[in-house]
Amino acid sequence: SAVISQKPSRDICQRGTSLTIQCQVDSQVTMMFWYRQQPGQSLTLIATANQGSEATYESGFVIDKFPISRPNLTFSTLTVSNMSPEDSSIYLCSVGLQRGLTDTQYFGPGTRLTVL
Amino acid sequence: AQSVTQPDIHITVSEGASLELRCNYSYGATPYLFWYVQSPGQGLQLLLKYFSGDTLVQGIKGFEAEFKRSQSSFNLRKPSVHWSDAAEYFCAVGGIQGAQKLVFGQGTRLTINP
Repeated sequence: SAVISQKPSRDICQRGTSLTIQCQVDSQVTMMFWYRQQPGQSLTLIATANQGSEATYESGFVIDKFPISRPNLTFSTLTVSNMSPEDSSIYLCSVGLQRGLTDTQYFGPGTRLTVL
Repeated sequence: AQSVTQPDIHITVSEGASLELRCNYSYGATPYLFWYVQSPGQGLQLLLKYFSGDTLVQGIKGFEAEFKRSQSSFNLRKPSVHWSDAAEYFCAVGGIQGAQKLVFGQGTRLTINP
């Protein structure tokens, strides 16, 4: 697997502000993903972060609210814009690695966000 | 579209007892199936995965899972649980692209009684 780090590990923010979360991998990877885990809920895929092109967003998520950057094959950022209390969640990045016949996703430790 | 159901939201077992966590999936073709564990305040750790071949797969920490196509199930088992196994367990299914577009179940929270 890869070593995946996220910054910050947690933050408390005021409504209306924005927070940028960083995801760093210790090796070059093609696939990077961003997930949201709302309190007591499962994980929902926000978008696939594509290197050199715009991210691919899932239904219900838009670029204006969750802009994503992927400047190289080891780094990505997710910004949560104009936050409201409903954005309080754990945000996780993951990478897809070729293991055997297909790909497997490995996850970072997550960023716990509280919006007041 | 694929979907995953974990019928048990919360399970409590005694330390040393056996464990089975249920997972049912819906997918039109052969699925790629995963079990992840999330300890409090942590990210997700991969326990095991199934792509093809032997339907009984072994994972880390003494866990195993059995793929049963006829029942659309991929249940996770452990013969004897340890207090450190207390965590949230997620089953996930991927489609033709493998690990891309993972869909997760709601999770099962495991509590261990001493």
